Amino acid sequence: DVKVTQSSRYLVKRTGEKVFLECVQDMDHENMFWYRQDPGLGLRLIYFSYDVKMKEKGDIPEGYSVSREKKERFSLILESASTNQTSMYLCASSTPKSNQPQHFGDGTRLSIL
Amino acid sequence: RKEVEQDPGPFNVPEGATVAFNCTYSNSASQSFFWYRQDCRKEPKLLMSVYSSGNEDGRFTAQLNRASQYISLLIRDSKLSDSATYLCVVDTGGYQKVTFGTGTKLQVIP
Repeated sequence: DVKVTQSSRYLVKRTGEKVFLECVQDMDHENMFWYRQDPGLGLRLIYFSYDVKMKEKGDIPEGYSVSREKKERFSLILESASTNQTSMYLCASSTPKSNQPQHFGDGTRLSIL
Repeated sequence: RKEVEQDPGPFNVPEGATVAFNCTYSNSASQSFFWYRQDCRKEPKLLMSVYSSGNEDGRFTAQLNRASQYISLLIRDSKLSDSATYLCVVDTGGYQKVTFGTGTKLQVIP
């Protein structure tokens, strides 16, 4: 079974803080993704990575950056947290083969006060 | 038009009923289609992939209609445990990028 592990289930931070969300997968997947999920808006892609040190912007990258130094780890960074970044953050991974689904971590519920 | 559209519901059905959800997509070049299930405050979990010829997994049947650009999910003999939000997922680019629908909420009532 694919295991995607996110570092925290719940996190509370203050406005202006630099926030790190970590994600690790154990299936040697090339592709990794960060989403945020908000009521009524569904999952929206923030960034994704298709290889070590490679990254691509998703639909809503503003205010975020990512790091992929090792294949199994993909980090999401909120450079200066703001209240509108309060959300559920979901990490996923997949192989590059066609018709293969993404597998998700448990999610991090982040509150910015 | 949104890339992936679903009726948000909720669909309230009695136990044992058959219920069907549709999902329309806008990109005619899409090749990969999935249904995910998401329980309240949990992560999405893959329910089933959707193949061109249609496919079945127990009480669940998925269909793809390329001409009309929609996929469907049929649930037979609904159980209380089927209560969840069902997300339609369609590939929209390289690297297995996908777009998620906003989900259809199903509530199965005793």
